Amino acid sequence: GQNIDQPTEMTATEGAIVQINCTYQTSGFNGLFWYQQHAGEAPTFLSYNVLDGLEEKGRFSSFLSRSKGYSYLLLKELQMKDSASYLCAVRDGREYGNKLVFGAGTILRVKS
Amino acid sequence: GAVVSQHPSRVICKSGTSVKIECRSLDFQATTMFWYRQFPKQSLMLMATSNEGSKATYEQGVEKDKFLINHASLTLSTLTVTSAHPEDSSFYICSVNRGGEAFFGQGTRLTVV
Repeated sequence: GQNIDQPTEMTATEGAIVQINCTYQTSGFNGLFWYQQHAGEAPTFLSYNVLDGLEEKGRFSSFLSRSKGYSYLLLKELQMKDSASYLCAVRDGREYGNKLVFGAGTILRVKS
Repeated sequence: GAVVSQHPSRVICKSGTSVKIECRSLDFQATTMFWYRQFPKQSLMLMATSNEGSKATYEQGVEKDKFLINHASLTLSTLTVTSAHPEDSSFYICSVNRGGEAFFGQGTRLTVV
């Protein structure tokens, strides 16, 4: 099975940088995703890592270490609108269809 | 534009009735679709994998007779919540994989009264 851990809540200040960590234990690892979800809405895709290293996409970056079962999402120049839940998800490639298994999510609160 | 369309976005039903939720992939064929459920302040929990032309694969603890899944075509999967109870009230959301990325429908807020 899979086990995905991420902090429950974080608070950061507008304009700052915040790092959200995710650790996982899984068989059949086939990629790690980060999604942003505002309350009552569907998740929106932020980033995808399948190889070790850093992927940068504007204000958002994501890092993966497969040997350590570890990823982080880095948000720079925080804005109030970044207040949301951030979901770490691991893709299981063992079964047809490549299902995604989600962590519990990290609620980020950005304060002014 | 949207890749996945889910309908309805909100539904209120009485206890004991059934509710059908549709998930459509737009402009591409999806042999597999995924159904998730999300309770307030919790993460998305995978309920089942919908497979076109064959039986759905249910996650452990999900009652297949209560949550009926039909994937009759390459663009449509339906989830029917049968004999709904108040504890089934939740946010149901479907997703499809395309080009290695998971795309989500808009979600359906189900309230059972």
